[in-house]
Amino acid sequence: EAQVTQNPRYLITVTGKKLTVTCSQNMNHEYMSWYRQDPGLGLRQIYYSMNVEVTDKGDVPEGYKVSRKEKRNFPLILESPSPNQTSLYFCASSFLGGAQYFGPGTRLLVL
Amino acid sequence: AQKVTQAQTEISVVEKEDVTLDCVYETRDTTYYLFWYKQPPSGELVFLIRRNSFDEQNEISGRYSWNFQKSTSSFNFTITASQVVDSAVYFCALSEARGGGSEKLVFGKGTKLTVNP
Repeated sequence: EAQVTQNPRYLITVTGKKLTVTCSQNMNHEYMSWYRQDPGLGLRQIYYSMNVEVTDKGDVPEGYKVSRKEKRNFPLILESPSPNQTSLYFCASSFLGGAQYFGPGTRLLVL
Repeated sequence: AQKVTQAQTEISVVEKEDVTLDCVYETRDTTYYLFWYKQPPSGELVFLIRRNSFDEQNEISGRYSWNFQKSTSSFNFTITASQVVDSAVYFCALSEARGGGSEKLVFGKGTKLTVNP
């Protein structure tokens, strides 16, 4: 089944404790992206990648890191999480120029 | 800057009613794509449709239809004979083409549709 998977789906952590949210797709998509969804602010792009070893900032990259060492994986790293990073995070993937398909989302709470 | 406006924050209808969700966009690009996504209460984002700026034909898929009008910069979504399972938040989005196929989706704030039995 073609899909985008994210892990974990739910995470509670404390300020400053490094965490990684994994994202994987099995559709051989070149393009992958991370978004965060917040009430009243909607969905905003954090980082994106057009292919292996090619990443770039979206609208709200502060406090996040990404890497793209393999085509199928695009992990989101929070080196020192803060409460304002409490959010619902979505990973998405697509062929270049194609429709983006989203993962199931990761709910993160930073205390 | 690109912008998507969904003026209807919440809509409530009774089952079997038709409902139209409005979407108005702003862009200076001549080539762009418009999308609709559905977010049911379970939280995932489900792709519904993608339309390019050169194709103004209306699209119908079962009970869903979309009306794209460049003249008014609108891309409205109609659900015919609504059902309880249609209850969700619906997002309209616009792609910002950055060249090379890299597209950032700019989302509207969403319209929450509640279909009551």
